[in-house]
Amino acid sequence: GAGVSQSPSNKVTEKGKDVELRCDPISGHTALYWYRQSLGQGLEFLIYFQGNSAPDKSGLPSDRFSAERTGGSVSTLTIQRTQQEDSAVYLCASTFQGNTGELFFGEGSRLTVL
Amino acid sequence: AQKITQTQPGMFVQEKEAVTLDCTYDTSDPSYGLFWYKQPSSGEMIFLIYQGSYDQQNATEGRYSLNFQKARKSANLVISASQLGDSAMYFCAMRQDQTGANNLFFGTGTRLTVIP
Repeated sequence: GAGVSQSPSNKVTEKGKDVELRCDPISGHTALYWYRQSLGQGLEFLIYFQGNSAPDKSGLPSDRFSAERTGGSVSTLTIQRTQQEDSAVYLCASTFQGNTGELFFGEGSRLTVL
Repeated sequence: AQKITQTQPGMFVQEKEAVTLDCTYDTSDPSYGLFWYKQPSSGEMIFLIYQGSYDQQNATEGRYSLNFQKARKSANLVISASQLGDSAMYFCAMRQDQTGANNLFFGTGTRLTVIP
C-alpha cells in the first residue's frame, strides 16, 4: 500500500513478556517516528530516525524500550518485560526531508498488557 | 513545561455552524511550525493544516483555517460549516526548528462532537 503500515494492529500480552511492533514507512521517506498514545491522552514522542544519523532516543521512557531501523526502511519497536502501564496505542509516522514537517501516520498498534 | 496547551477537553457544535478549537504554544525558537491533526474514532491521525511562524497569511485548507496570533502564541483551528463527519479528536502540534527539531510536540486534544 501507499501509506504507513503497522503490525500487529492489536497485541495482547502477559506482564513480563517481550513484544515487537513493526512499522513499514512510506517508500522514500527518510524520517521515521514512534509515538505512544495512552487512552484519552495526547501523543508522547518516543524515538526518531533520520536517514543514517544516530536516532533521537530522548523520548524512550525506560531501558526496556528500544527501536531499530534496518536499511533505512522498516522499523521495529521492542518492549522488554512489559508492564501494565505500557498498554497504549503505538503510532508510527514517516516524512521526507524538505517538506513542512507534516507527518504521515500509520493506524497504530494497540498493545494491551494483562 | 507544557509546550502545547489545548484547554477544551470537549466541544459541541451544531451541524453547519462554525467552531473554534483553541491552541496555545510555548517556544523561544524564532522559527517553528504549527499543525493540526484530526483523529476519528478509527484511530488514524489525519493532517489538516500547517502554519509556519514566518507565514504572513493565516493558513486555510478548504473548511479549515488557522487563526494565527503570533504575539499571543495562539494557533486556533476554525472549522466552518461543520459536518457530522467532523466529530473526532483534534490535536494541535508544534515543531521547533532550532531546539528539538526532530520532534513534534502534541497537545492533549479536544474532542469535537457535531450535533445534527
